[in-house]
Amino acid sequence: QSALTQPASVSGSPGQSITISCTGTSSDVGGYNYVSWYQQHPGKAPKLMIYDVSKRPSGVSNRFSGSKSGNTASLTISGLQAEDEADYYCSSYTSSSTWVFGGGTKLTVL
Amino acid sequence: EVQLVQSGAEVKKPGESLKISCKGSGYSFTGYWIGWVRQMPGKGLEWMGIIYPGDSDTRYSPSFQGQVTISADKSISTAYLQWSSLKASDTAMYYCARHRTTRDAFDIWGQGTMVTVSS
Repeated sequence: QSALTQPASVSGSPGQSITISCTGTSSDVGGYNYVSWYQQHPGKAPKLMIYDVSKRPSGVSNRFSGSKSGNTASLTISGLQAEDEADYYCSSYTSSSTWVFGGGTKLTVL
Repeated sequence: EVQLVQSGAEVKKPGESLKISCKGSGYSFTGYWIGWVRQMPGKGLEWMGIIYPGDSDTRYSPSFQGQVTISADKSISTAYLQWSSLKASDTAMYYCARHRTTRDAFDIWGQGTMVTVSS
């Protein structure tokens, strides 16, 4: 199972919006609405930010949103804040009844 | 409070065996799957496998099948990740995390266990 494809890095200024893409295949992202996104600050455990493509867990800011089109899922963060600077990982359920992560994207808030 | 608490950091030599643990509390341990995720130094997350403590149903990523063993003891609400013969390439942070069904995201994560394998 190959890792999902994410850009290595993205950046934006405070207040701006950014989008991180996550590209897979019809056997994972494109085949199921089970895509999730995790935020990981340095030295910390990952934190669930989006599940089932576009749902937010309780307590996660509504500045975070998710979507999917075909084999590509996207995470959008609006109104960027300094605290959003972190690594972001997408993950998808697969046709093998397993999960696969993306390679991760480092978000820099300028 | 729902939490997963992992065992402490380990330093081992190549060829040695190791078993690390993940103890759940604050929820019905047998009602959720527990998964293991590897993060090698400076690298991304890798899904290793999952176990359902209720009946010990276990599934592995093809990349980790045969390399590690996932188990659980529901009597003490603890899941385990085990190696029979460590390699230097097993050096990594290992996280446990839970999900309600196999198609659900990991909603609660442990704090991680750092495993260092060096001669």
